[in-house]
Amino acid sequence: AQSVSQHNHHVILSEAASLELGCNYSYGGTVNLFWYVQYPGQHLQLLLKYFSGDPLVKGIKGFEAEFIKSKFSFNLRKPSVQWSDTAEYFCAVNQGGGATNKLIFGTGTLLAVQP
Amino acid sequence: DAGVTQSPTHLIKTRGQQVTLRCSPKSGHDTVSWYQQALGQGPQFIFQYYEEEERQRGNFPDRFSGHQFPNYSSELNVNALLLGDSALYLCASSLWAGQQPQHFGDGTRLSIL
Repeated sequence: AQSVSQHNHHVILSEAASLELGCNYSYGGTVNLFWYVQYPGQHLQLLLKYFSGDPLVKGIKGFEAEFIKSKFSFNLRKPSVQWSDTAEYFCAVNQGGGATNKLIFGTGTLLAVQP
Repeated sequence: DAGVTQSPTHLIKTRGQQVTLRCSPKSGHDTVSWYQQALGQGPQFIFQYYEEEERQRGNFPDRFSGHQFPNYSSELNVNALLLGDSALYLCASSLWAGQQPQHFGDGTRLSIL
């Protein structure tokens, strides 16, 4: 069965610090990969997605992620975080091929950015 | 352009009761999926509706059932509520059953006493 692991449950950073959140998945076939963000009191929003092609994908608000197939990883990065990045971040995987858009989510990482 | 709307926002029920949650998909979308997000967990897929039929189901008991109407809106029904059913229930819509990404609603917070 597919699963997603996010190893950082809580992360506290100061503004301007660099961010890297880990995400590993287990599935041997083609996958689509996503990072979603959930700001306090708001709905899940898509940060970025990987379907195929360049393994380094850029998303909104300066976020990027790198797909490393050999490591089954899709880590999220941002060079300099802002207080407004305080939110919960979810990595998700979907079986590729377009037959289904069912998402398997990780448990999430709660990021707190201190001003 | 209306996004995904869910109602009610919050709901309090007691054990053994039944509950119905509602979802209107984003304009133009015909596929609706439901997820359960327990406290401290990521969302878990419950099921997906397309063309008024359940197309795919996650690992949830039969107490969880759904329906999709001709206007593509959907309901999630949970019978014989348990304390463990307390969670945020999310609805997501898409243009078709395999399309990514999906658009999520704000969710319904269900509390079981």
